[in-house]
Amino acid sequence: DAMVIQNPRYQVTQFGKPVTLSCSQTLNHNVMYWYQQKSSQAPKLLFHYYDKDFNNEADTPDNFQSRRPNTSFCFLDIRSPGLGDAAMYLCATSRDIGREQFFGPGTRLTVL
Amino acid sequence: AQSVSQHNHHVILSEAASLELGCNYSYGGTVNLFWYVQYPGQHLQLLLKYFSGDPLVKGIKGFEAEFIKSKFSFNLRKPSVQWSDTAEYFCAVKPSSYKLIFGSGTRLLVRP
Repeated sequence: DAMVIQNPRYQVTQFGKPVTLSCSQTLNHNVMYWYQQKSSQAPKLLFHYYDKDFNNEADTPDNFQSRRPNTSFCFLDIRSPGLGDAAMYLCATSRDIGREQFFGPGTRLTVL
Repeated sequence: AQSVSQHNHHVILSEAASLELGCNYSYGGTVNLFWYVQYPGQHLQLLLKYFSGDPLVKGIKGFEAEFIKSKFSFNLRKPSVQWSDTAEYFCAVKPSSYKLIFGSGTRLLVRP
């Protein structure tokens, strides 16, 4: 029944060591999103894909990149994680822009 | 800038008490409105949504929300809470031609 799957659920990396977070969906939705959520804060949109079209938020650091090789998968690459990048990373999908978003369980990233 | 305000960061209630969580937003145009819930250890789930029509929206688990356009509000209500309603509740607003904006969340603790 899992609809939006994120792997791993917990990721530990070292300062400056590249890391990739994975998201997959079984809903066949057009849009996939990546959010960053820090403790006691609202989820913050990093970027989204509408099909193959990438849409980056203006305030997303260059350190964060994304790939969507096909409809089902989307990856978040953090090229050089800093201590400030420790957070929960949420993947979400929606059938179309403006429709309700379905969230994955998140990946909690720790940076040592 | 568009924003979503949830004024109550923490709410503590006894079982059977009535609940109202406030949500206000700053955007004058057409919006889609959502309430998401995150139970302990689980992912964000849609509780209810408003796109158009009847401003009183019924959601899952006995929740409802009322859209009052003149007040830019979308407050969440439940007549009688249960211990299992303990969770964090996020209001989210999707202005047209803009991204989904989350409030900072309200942590609800229901005491048995």
